[in-house]
Amino acid sequence: SQQGEEDPQALSIQEGENATMNCSYKTSINNLQWYRQNSGRGLVHLILIRSNEREKHSGRLRVTLDTSKKSSSLLITASRAADTASYFCATGGTGAQKLVFGQGTRLTINP
Amino acid sequence: GAVVSQHPSWVICKSGTSVKIECRSLDFQATTMFWYRQFPKQSLMLMATSNEGSKATYEQGVEKDKFLINHASLTLSTLTVTSAHPEDSSFYICSARLIRTGVNSPLHFGNGTRLTVT
Repeated sequence: SQQGEEDPQALSIQEGENATMNCSYKTSINNLQWYRQNSGRGLVHLILIRSNEREKHSGRLRVTLDTSKKSSSLLITASRAADTASYFCATGGTGAQKLVFGQGTRLTINP
Repeated sequence: GAVVSQHPSWVICKSGTSVKIECRSLDFQATTMFWYRQFPKQSLMLMATSNEGSKATYEQGVEKDKFLINHASLTLSTLTVTSAHPEDSSFYICSARLIRTGVNSPLHFGNGTRLTVT
């Protein structure tokens, strides 16, 4: 069963604005990862945050993790039209090899 | 680096036939590969975990006799959809994790296979 719930399901903003997506999960995790999927393509790994980390940055991406609330957020700053895609969070459980993906947020950046 | 090639990218087949999808790690070895299924505008549903040299681990509700997985080498896993039916039409995606990396490592995905069963 899918563990992650993402919010919002769809987000449409103007180019240059910041985009924030949220992910909640239900069980204990080892790490949480964010992936991006362009339409009809595979997924591309963006960033991984471990359960003992609270915040991580990578270029225009900022990820936070709150294990007490079982939630994470992905912030994309200064958005570009090329950021238009679906974004998924995925959780890795303790000792588990597999990742469980959330429902995803469809992000549209309007030029 | 860490490129995963999935072939074919799309396939149309007739009901009752079988279709094989290949997933290759081109520049790395992968002990473990994962097969996902994705419906339009929905998330990825894990079908099975493929381990090199051993039987695949299927998720609950996934028919192992219908979705045959073979992981004969450290760079190749195949998914065969047997006796395909229109309800098997979907987007199938494979992913792989670099050998000797643990659970705190990312997955590398193929570009998916669009299967249409007529």
